[in-house]
Amino acid sequence: GAVVSQHPSRVICKSGTSVKIECRSLDFQATTMFWYRQFPKQSLMLMATSNEGSKATYEQGVEKDKFLINHASLTLSTLTVTSAHPEDSSFYICSASETQGSYGYTFGSGTRLTVV
Amino acid sequence: AQKVTQAQTEISVVEKEDVTLDCVYETRDTTYYLFWYKQPPSGELVFLIRRNSFDEQNEISGRYSWNFQKSTSSFNFTITASQVVDSAVYFCARLTNNLFFGTGTRLTVIP
Repeated sequence: GAVVSQHPSRVICKSGTSVKIECRSLDFQATTMFWYRQFPKQSLMLMATSNEGSKATYEQGVEKDKFLINHASLTLSTLTVTSAHPEDSSFYICSASETQGSYGYTFGSGTRLTVV
Repeated sequence: AQKVTQAQTEISVVEKEDVTLDCVYETRDTTYYLFWYKQPPSGELVFLIRRNSFDEQNEISGRYSWNFQKSTSSFNFTITASQVVDSAVYFCARLTNNLFFGTGTRLTVIP
């Protein structure tokens, strides 16, 4: 079945630094990738939708300059948390879809970011 | 708003009991998909089922079964003979343009 690899699984960074999270579709081409954020004991909130070769579409309230998304190829999307602050600490998880619509989106294993 | 409501925040059952997790959704679309995902403590999301809006047949997969009632906009999930390994957070989700998650139900199965 479809596999999505997300890296790193855990990262601790200092306040003010930037962190890049990678999301790769391993055995299919993902025209669309999604980035979610999950606070402890809460649901997954969609942050942005990225389509290969075009700018990401951000959900309301998500700062596009803070959360930079690049979807440069059909198998790779990256999320960069810029100038991270402790309030950015969260669980970030990506998902990928070969085509939008009827497919069950495949999720990465998530990245737990801690900003100290 | 097109919400997905999982009214049960936390449920605890004793092993071997049956348990039903409720999901009620709102949508203005005639075509949509509904999902259930399991999120164990490790964090990854495990896909359990996808159901499209035109298929109201109930489904059984081992100890898992799903009841889709379009008339009440519900898509409930039942685990029979629960096991400790079923302990996790379960999310119901609705797909139209993107996947929108409910708030999740934390299930604890006590040995």
